[in-house]
Amino acid sequence: EAGVTQFPSHSVIEKGQTVTLRCDPISGHDNLYWYRRVMGKEIKFLLHFVKESKQDESGMPNNRFLAERTGGTYSTLKVQPAELEDSGVYFCASSPVGGMSSYNEQFFGPGTRLTVL
Amino acid sequence: GIQVEQSPPDLILQEGANSTLRCNFSDSVNNLQWFHQNPWGQLINLFYIPSGTKQNGRLSATTVATERYSLLYISSSQTTDSGVYFCAAQRTYSSASKIIFGSGTRLSIRP
Repeated sequence: EAGVTQFPSHSVIEKGQTVTLRCDPISGHDNLYWYRRVMGKEIKFLLHFVKESKQDESGMPNNRFLAERTGGTYSTLKVQPAELEDSGVYFCASSPVGGMSSYNEQFFGPGTRLTVL
Repeated sequence: GIQVEQSPPDLILQEGANSTLRCNFSDSVNNLQWFHQNPWGQLINLFYIPSGTKQNGRLSATTVATERYSLLYISSSQTTDSGVYFCAAQRTYSSASKIIFGSGTRLSIRP
């Protein structure tokens, strides 16, 4: 079974440009999460999809960030325009349908390292 | 929300030594996970351990849910064990929601 995949693994852009990150969750996982670690700080939650719906977007830092999950499969996270403080590692995670304790584990992808110059 | 605290913040050891990393959480949890962020930034799932003990090779973890802490043990450390170790918790009665990460323990293994 394939794990969570993210693309690209590394992106270097200039301030003001646009970048789109992609996440493919584990097949059949309805829950998809985005997290990020910036400036070597803590890993922070960004948002949570259940299928194609945004369940919780309380962690999105501002309106320069737009996440989508069309069709409830893969998700994209667009940063437009990128700022210096957006540099960091962006992680995607997925989990199966909730309701049972054994299904609460979140499976993380390898991350996308974003560098804004 | 739930608070997750890790200790120590930094740990420097010689290759071959054993180490214990601690994670305290402020509320009852139904998800407790340990991760290793390697020097390339990748986040590696180590354990899903809301309670009990698990072992995987040189690594093992124990969560005492009633006392709200978890421990990660690394035996016979190798230089490849270096990196930042995170624990993350999800509060009970909050299924399929975000997990809260601790600030991490930076482990450096010297050859």
